[in-house]
Amino acid sequence: DVKVTQSSRYLVKRTGEKVFLECVQDMDHENMFWYRQDPGLGLRLIYFSYDVKMKEKGDIPEGYSVSREKKERFSLILESASTNQTSMYLCASSPPGTGRDTQYFGPGTRLTVL
Amino acid sequence: KQEVTQIPAALSVPEGENLVLNCSFTDSAIYNLQWFRQDPGKGLTSLLLIQSSQREQTSGRLNASLDKSSGRSTLYIAASQPGDSATYLCAGSNDYKLSFGAGTTVTVRA
Repeated sequence: DVKVTQSSRYLVKRTGEKVFLECVQDMDHENMFWYRQDPGLGLRLIYFSYDVKMKEKGDIPEGYSVSREKKERFSLILESASTNQTSMYLCASSPPGTGRDTQYFGPGTRLTVL
Repeated sequence: KQEVTQIPAALSVPEGENLVLNCSFTDSAIYNLQWFRQDPGKGLTSLLLIQSSQREQTSGRLNASLDKSSGRSTLYIAASQPGDSATYLCAGSNDYKLSFGAGTTVTVRA
């Protein structure tokens, strides 16, 4: 079974803090994704990576950056957290290719920024 | 840009009733259409994936259809059970990206 793990289930941070969310997958997938999920808006893609050290902006990259130094690990960074970044963050991975396979999701991190 | 819509946002049915969940999308050039289940506070679990060349997929009590010409997909859940209570999301795949609907939250009453 594919396993995608995220470093924290719940996180509380203060405005202005630098926040790291980590995601690890154990299936040697090339593609990894970060989404945020907000009520009524569904999942929105923040960034994705199709290989080590490669990244592409998604639909809402502002205020976020990412790092992929190893194939199995994809980190989402909030350089200076703000209250409007309070959300559920979901990481996913998928095999290589052009989106013809499903994505496998982690359990999510609920981030609250005070 | 792919826009995906799910109506209704919430649905409540008695146990045993068949469920029909609707999904519409704007860009018919999708690679596939996927249905996911999400339990409260949890991640997403893939239920069914319909490739663009297919018309439907079935898994147990679940059946999903895809009509690219009309931009619609429907998820049918036969003989619903309380354990089917969850949020169901559909997503259209274009290249690497999945575009998600906001989901339909289903409650099955015992």
